[in-house]
Amino acid sequence: EAGVVQSPRYKIIEKKQPVAFWCNPISGHNTLYWYLQNLGQGPELLIRYENEEAVDDSQLPKDRFSAERLKGVDSTLKIQPAELGDSAVYLCASSGQGWGEQFFGPGTRLTVL
Amino acid sequence: QQQVKQSPQSLIVQKGGISIINCAYENTAFDYFPWYQQFPGKGPALLIAIRPDVSEKKEGRFTISFNKSAKQFSLHIMDSQPGDSATYFCAASMTGANNLFFGTGTRLTVIP
Repeated sequence: EAGVVQSPRYKIIEKKQPVAFWCNPISGHNTLYWYLQNLGQGPELLIRYENEEAVDDSQLPKDRFSAERLKGVDSTLKIQPAELGDSAVYLCASSGQGWGEQFFGPGTRLTVL
Repeated sequence: QQQVKQSPQSLIVQKGGISIINCAYENTAFDYFPWYQQFPGKGPALLIAIRPDVSEKKEGRFTISFNKSAKQFSLHIMDSQPGDSATYFCAASMTGANNLFFGTGTRLTVIP
């Protein structure tokens, strides 16, 4: 069974540029999460989707961050414009319906210069 | 505000020794406490998890001890191996929300 797929794995951009990350969850998983992991820290939830609905986006900085999960499958997280402080690893995770283990992808390491 | 506090930040253990990582939480609504293992360049992977209706859970060399009254839980790795060298995160969540609150991580190094 394929795991959570994320792309790109690495991204280097200059500040004020836009950037987008893509995530394909495990087949059949209705719940999708985006986490931010700063260096030396634990992941922090940005947004959680149940199917195509964002049920918790309270920690998403909406002035520059946006996300979508069209058709309730894969998802895109966008930052526009990127700032130096956005340099981090962006993790995507998915879980089955209801209460279930969260499976994480390998993450996208973003460097903003 | 850190919902889950984890210590130590780093840990060095000899092969065959016992590794112990501790976590504490404040929110009594938490009812699910997983531990995740993360290798460099990889996402976290679930190692073992416990719910507060039991005080201990063991899976192979990994054991979670849970103290509900003290609001603390810990991971014990018996017979630590070099392959266990990784960063370990404790986490907590509550039924229905499924949002994991992670600790700050412990970098474990097992010396051969």
